Amino acid sequence: DVKVTQSSRYLVKRTGEKVFLECVQDMDHENMFWYRQDPGLGLRLIYFSYDVKMKEKGDIPEGYSVSREKKERFSLILESASTNQTSMYLCASRPTGLSYEQYFGPGTRLTVT
Amino acid sequence: AQSVTQLDSQVPVFEEAPVELRCNYSSSVSVYLFWYVQYPNQGLQLLLKYLSGSTLVKGINGFEAEFNKSQTSFHLRKPSVHISDTAEYFCAVSVGGANNLFFGTGTRLTVIP
Repeated sequence: DVKVTQSSRYLVKRTGEKVFLECVQDMDHENMFWYRQDPGLGLRLIYFSYDVKMKEKGDIPEGYSVSREKKERFSLILESASTNQTSMYLCASRPTGLSYEQYFGPGTRLTVT
Repeated sequence: AQSVTQLDSQVPVFEEAPVELRCNYSSSVSVYLFWYVQYPNQGLQLLLKYLSGSTLVKGINGFEAEFNKSQTSFHLRKPSVHISDTAEYFCAVSVGGANNLFFGTGTRLTVIP
């Protein structure tokens, strides 16, 4: 089974803090994604990466950055956390190819106070 | 821009009754279609997917969906729901084989005993 793990299930941070969310997948997938999930808005793509050290902006990249130094790990960074970044963050991965779905981690619920 | 519309944000249904969750998408090119389920405090899990071939797709837990190209729809159905089906359901579209998915805003299915 594909396994995607996220470093924390729940996280509470203060406004202005630098926040790191880590995601690791164990199936050698080329592509990895970060989404945020908010009630009534569904999932919105923040960034994705299709290879080591490669990244592409998604629909809502403002206030976020990412890092992919190793194939299995994709980090989401909030340079200076703000209260409007309180949300559920979901990481996903998929192999390259037309027929493959994305595999999701359990999510990190981040609260910024 | 691509869009996915889930018309119903909440669907209550009695146990053992049938249910249909609606999904429409906007795209004039080839699409791949997915339904995901999210149980409370968990990540997303794939229910079923349509890539090509038969327009009726069967998934896990007794769910099925029908791809209708002329109506640009991919509605999810189950003939008899169980309490354990209570969850949020997301429709997603991949356009032209792109790596990223566009998600609908989700439908919360509540099964009433």
